[in-house]
Amino acid sequence: EVQLLESGGRLVQPGRSLRLSCAASGFAFSDYGMTWVRQAPGKGLEWVSGLSANGDTAFYADSVKGRFTVSRDNSKNTLYLQMSSLRVADTAIYYCTKGRGSIVSFSALWGQGTLVTVSS
Amino acid sequence: DIQMTQSPSSLSTSVGDRVTITCRASQGISNYLAWYQQKPGKVPQLLIYAASTLQSGVPSRFSGSGSGTDFTLTISSLQPEDVATYYCQEYDDARFTFGPGTKVDI
Repeated sequence: EVQLLESGGRLVQPGRSLRLSCAASGFAFSDYGMTWVRQAPGKGLEWVSGLSANGDTAFYADSVKGRFTVSRDNSKNTLYLQMSSLRVADTAIYYCTKGRGSIVSFSALWGQGTLVTVSS
Repeated sequence: DIQMTQSPSSLSTSVGDRVTITCRASQGISNYLAWYQQKPGKVPQLLIYAASTLQSGVPSRFSGSGSGTDFTLTISSLQPEDVATYYCQEYDDARFTFGPGTKVDI
């Protein structure tokens, strides 16, 4: 079964750091571009970051550029999102998504999400 | 940056009705547009990509059309399980911007 399983979300204070992980299974992880999409409570979807299949090309939303870093370990079938200088506005469910090809594009498959709460 | 708008923001209709949702891009994006469905309390799911290609497993009552700046998602005969919020997303530039969503109720 094709699956994405996020982890790492928790309550964290403003200004602190957090790393999210996304474990992929059931498909050739190293062949696909991957993205992170978030959704604040009661709000719409916001694209956060994306990374190509080989890890060479990364993209970031303006709202997280310079604070978040996306990476992947294809040997472990895992995608990461390192988040630093967290703000209250970063509070959201963070979804890991799989693209349809090796480049970053739309989200063909979504994980269940992990909740990040930034609060003092 | 490309801005995405959707109309209407919400609609209430009846089972069996034809529903049309519009998505507009602030500049041309060819056919690099996807549609997603998010049912209440659930994870979003891909419905359509490349503006009009139906994702595997999606019922044929869903269809998409458009190119350039104007796109539509059509549900030919609304079913109770289609109650959801629908989002468009462009993937033409490196911002991958989502539209604000359209909430569909019965």
